[in-house]
Amino acid sequence: DAMVIQNPRYQVTQFGKPVTLSCSQTLNHNVMYWYQQKSSQAPKLLFHYYDKDFNNEADTPDNFQSRRPNTSFCFLDIRSPGLGDAAMYLCATSSRGRTEAFFGQGTRLTVV
Amino acid sequence: GQQLNQSPQSMFIQEGEDVSMNCTSSSIFNTWLWYKQDPGEGPVLLIALYKAGELTSNGRLTAQFGITRKDSFLNISASIPSDVGIYFCAGLNYGGSQGNLIFGKGTKLSVKP
Repeated sequence: DAMVIQNPRYQVTQFGKPVTLSCSQTLNHNVMYWYQQKSSQAPKLLFHYYDKDFNNEADTPDNFQSRRPNTSFCFLDIRSPGLGDAAMYLCATSSRGRTEAFFGQGTRLTVV
Repeated sequence: GQQLNQSPQSMFIQEGEDVSMNCTSSSIFNTWLWYKQDPGEGPVLLIALYKAGELTSNGRLTAQFGITRKDSFLNISASIPSDVGIYFCAGLNYGGSQGNLIFGKGTKLSVKP
């Protein structure tokens, strides 16, 4: 059974039109991460939550925001997607007690 | 910021051969993780290493956490076609209340039957 679930798997959005990607987890992990992965590159950390504490990477554009309304859910909001934001977006979770991070299947975002 | 140097960038091997790849860093990590990613999918955790010097196996995979805590390697023995994919190392530190998982750039493995 999937433990980190990302919806949708594929998302097409228009240039400049806000889009939200979602992630849910059944692991009750207190850390949730959002990564951006472009073709043939390593995942790049955008931000992470440690419980309710939000930690933004210094080079994450302001265009990217996140919400974590509860332990199970985390959202990635892209306020005004540009063509350069087309990528695979990966959600991952980990627990303070054990440090393995588990990934969802990703959402492939296309900007047209 | 922290960076991981992963090598080689790509490998082309014959089925049945052994494979070795490694990651190094100028920073110390508390945990090393090795992932495999298939096209269009999220990374799947292969092996997690928690202690300096630790050697851990998972089937045909063996990974070690370097004694200096700045490096790790992954070996795959007797490769098979389904080993094809991109392998990522990742280092993780917990400082205070924060966690930060940093990835290497990946090793793309191709296996010829």
